[in-house]
Amino acid sequence: NAGVTQTPKFQVLKTGQSMTLQCAQDMNHEYMSWYRQDPGMGLRLIHYSVGAGITDQGEVPNGYNVSRSTTEDFPLRLLSAAPSQTSVYFCASSYRALDLGTSGRDTQYFGPGTRLTVL
Amino acid sequence: AQSVAQPEDQVNVAEGNPLTVKCTYSVSGNPYLFWYVQYPNRGLQFLLKYITGDNLVKGSYGFEAEFNKSQTSFHLKKPSALVSDSALYFCAVGGFSGGYNKLIFGAGTRLAVHP
Repeated sequence: NAGVTQTPKFQVLKTGQSMTLQCAQDMNHEYMSWYRQDPGMGLRLIHYSVGAGITDQGEVPNGYNVSRSTTEDFPLRLLSAAPSQTSVYFCASSYRALDLGTSGRDTQYFGPGTRLTVL
Repeated sequence: AQSVAQPEDQVNVAEGNPLTVKCTYSVSGNPYLFWYVQYPNRGLQFLLKYITGDNLVKGSYGFEAEFNKSQTSFHLKKPSALVSDSALYFCAVGGFSGGYNKLIFGAGTRLAVHP
């Protein structure tokens, strides 16, 4: 299994540009989520999904859109990038929400991250 | 509001000494608590969790954590630190009222283990 993959690893955007951060997992996980990591603030949840066709907002959803058309993919869209969106973005997945599973399937797997700079 | 606090930005420990990384939380309901570790330029890795049951939870790499409901704390501990334990550690809480599918992370504590 490749686990959780994210592309691109690095991206530089100009203010107002749009882009999509890709996230995919090959573990047949129901739950997927996007976080942003900023210095001194830990990880903050942007959006999450508990299954294909179902998404919901996290702590900091403004400026971001998501969709979940398949179990495997959970792209994050920035419609009009702003400097405040400069951050490291992590995608994560787990068999079920909040690692409540048993028998060794109970962990949340994180992707390697995408470092985004908005000028 | 739900929150997680990691009061120390950095913890310095000599190799071989015990280490403690502190975490306190403020959430409604009966929370689920987690510790994750992040090595440089990597994603987070799961260390351990508390859902219910025994207050002392053992996890990966010799780490353990003690859940203390009265003090609303979930401190991470290891009896003998290794230089390779140097990393960024995050405490997280989930399962709280109104946020069943969400995790709230603390700001992180950088652990530096010196030879």
